[in-house]
Amino acid sequence: EVQLVESGGGLVQPGGSLRLSCAASGFTFSTYWMHWVRQAPGKGLVWVSRIDTDGTTTNYADSVKGRFTISRDNAKNTLYLQMNSLRAEDTAVYYCVGSYFYLGNWGQGTLVTVSS
Amino acid sequence: DIVMTQSPDSLAVSLGERATINCRSSQSVLHSSNNKNNLAWYQQKPGQPPKLLIYWASTRESGVPDRFSGSESGTDFTLTISSLQAEDVAVYYCQQYYSTPYTFGQGTKLEIK
Repeated sequence: EVQLVESGGGLVQPGGSLRLSCAASGFTFSTYWMHWVRQAPGKGLVWVSRIDTDGTTTNYADSVKGRFTISRDNAKNTLYLQMNSLRAEDTAVYYCVGSYFYLGNWGQGTLVTVSS
Repeated sequence: DIVMTQSPDSLAVSLGERATINCRSSQSVLHSSNNKNNLAWYQQKPGQPPKLLIYWASTRESGVPDRFSGSESGTDFTLTISSLQAEDVAVYYCQQYYSTPYTFGQGTKLEIK
């Protein structure tokens, strides 16, 4: 069974940093492109970032470019999202998602709250 | 960026009746390599992550009931639930995976009339 388990969310002050992790199991992690998708409270889905199978190619939404960094450790079956210079508008549930093309496998999400 | 526009924003349908949700992309999402539209539909129930229903615009994900179907015409896409069940109450999103940034429609909230 495919499992994606996010961790690392919490309350952080504006301008602060947070690192999210996503532990994958039940599938061959190293063969999947991986993504982060977020959802602000009561709002829709917004794609944040993706990384290719070996970590050499990454893409970001304009809203996070230069502040967030996606990475992966295939030996540990883990995806990461380093989030710096956090803003109130980054408050959301962050989902880890595995894909070949479409977003097929979703984690349960971890809540990030940016507030003073 | 490709803009995905869904209609309606909300929809109330009686049990057993047909529900139709529309999605339009601001430009083609047809991939020339496989001649398929890079369009997916997701269902999200309260407190849960989204669940993939349909990909390549009309291919049903394994385990998804056959009352869910997807269709396409150019840059217009439709999700149809042929006979609404109580468990289908959710928000539905379309999404293009043709190019980054991947973009979602704003969502359609489906309720029971």
